[in-house]
Amino acid sequence: DGGITQSPKYLFRKEGQNVTLSCEQNLNHDAMYWYRQDPGQGLRLIYYSQIVNDFQKGDIAEGYSVSREKKESFPLTVTSAQKNPTAFYLCASSFYEPNTEAFFGQGTRLTVV
Amino acid sequence: SQQGEEDPQALSIQEGENATMNCSYKTSINNLQWYRQNSGRGLVHLILIRSNEREKHSGRLRVTLDTSKKSSSLLITASRAADTASYFCATVGNNRLAFGKGNQVVVIP
Repeated sequence: DGGITQSPKYLFRKEGQNVTLSCEQNLNHDAMYWYRQDPGQGLRLIYYSQIVNDFQKGDIAEGYSVSREKKESFPLTVTSAQKNPTAFYLCASSFYEPNTEAFFGQGTRLTVV
Repeated sequence: SQQGEEDPQALSIQEGENATMNCSYKTSINNLQWYRQNSGRGLVHLILIRSNEREKHSGRLRVTLDTSKKSSSLLITASRAADTASYFCATVGNNRLAFGKGNQVVVIP
């Protein structure tokens, strides 16, 4: 089945540790996005990538890093520099053309313990 | 940065009633999209309206776009309990997909 998969669904991290969230799609989409969702804040854009080996910072990139070595994969690393990492993280993908819809993964809920 | 911004309201309506949500944005856009999110899940695309369109229908959904006012509305007609969810508008411009804060809709059976 075609789709976009995020893993794991739940993730616990100790303070001071880096953690990587996985996002994989088999939709042949060019663009991929990472969002953070906090209660009452909506979705805030962390990073996005239009093509392989290229990505741009979104509105809240500090404390996060990404890579786009393959078209299908766009992992997000939450570093120890992110002061308040507990949140719901959503990955999305779409074709490059602007008038197309985005498809979302089911999200990863990260909790710092 | 451009960003869709819904009116910050939670709607609670009876099944069969209509639900209307509004969204405003700040910069020029290619299109505006509406998404739905059930609690704790990913977002699902509902409808896309291009910048040169004024109204679009899809089943029980009706979307309007007023680019002069930089605003959009989503109407859900004859609501059902299964329509209970959060609804987000998103704007596309400069290769970015930017979302607003969302509207929570509760449909009471």
